[in-house]
Amino acid sequence: NAGVTQTPKFQVLKTGQSMTLQCAQDMNHEYMSWYRQDPGMGLRLIHYSVGAGITDQGEVPNGYNVSRSTTEDFPLRLLSAAPSQTSVYFCASSYGRGGGYTFGSGTRLTVV
Amino acid sequence: RKEVEQDPGPFNVPEGATVAFNCTYSNSASQSFFWYRQDCRKEPKLLMSVYSSGNEDGRFTAQLNRASQYISLLIRDSKLSDSATYLCVVNPPYIGTASKLTFGTGTRLQVTL
Repeated sequence: NAGVTQTPKFQVLKTGQSMTLQCAQDMNHEYMSWYRQDPGMGLRLIHYSVGAGITDQGEVPNGYNVSRSTTEDFPLRLLSAAPSQTSVYFCASSYGRGGGYTFGSGTRLTVV
Repeated sequence: RKEVEQDPGPFNVPEGATVAFNCTYSNSASQSFFWYRQDCRKEPKLLMSVYSSGNEDGRFTAQLNRASQYISLLIRDSKLSDSATYLCVVNPPYIGTASKLTFGTGTRLQVTL
């Protein structure tokens, strides 16, 4: 079992560029989430999904899109990168909403 | 008031010491509670769930006090390898199928020789 796999691990973007952060899990988890982590602010929820075809916004959704066409994959798309999106991004999954989440190893994104 | 509050630390303790962290949460109807551990530049990892009756896993003990809205983590016989940031995590009241874990900013622990 690979768990939760995120790619890429590091990325530098120029302001205005778009890109997709990939996330895949092999645990057949229904629940998946994207978080960003910034110094002094803890992890903040961007978007989440409770199953294939179902997504919803979290605390800081602006500037990001998600889709969930399969149980395994939950990509996060940055529409037009801004320096304020410089952060560490974590994808996580869980078997259910009452359970703990398993996190991927993160993507360190810098927008210049 | 923040939804989940933790003392950022750092807590500097010698090896073998007992250390305790507290975390307070604002929503009295919160459903489930967890402690995560995060090493520097790594992903958070689930340490343990926290149950109303309290629960223990080896040297780690977690307690939940719903009346006072706080959870605690006790680490006995601290090891150098326990040095990390400990994140308090709260699952707010369920609305539909939503799952929106709320993370504290973490308490840093440094165990020294």
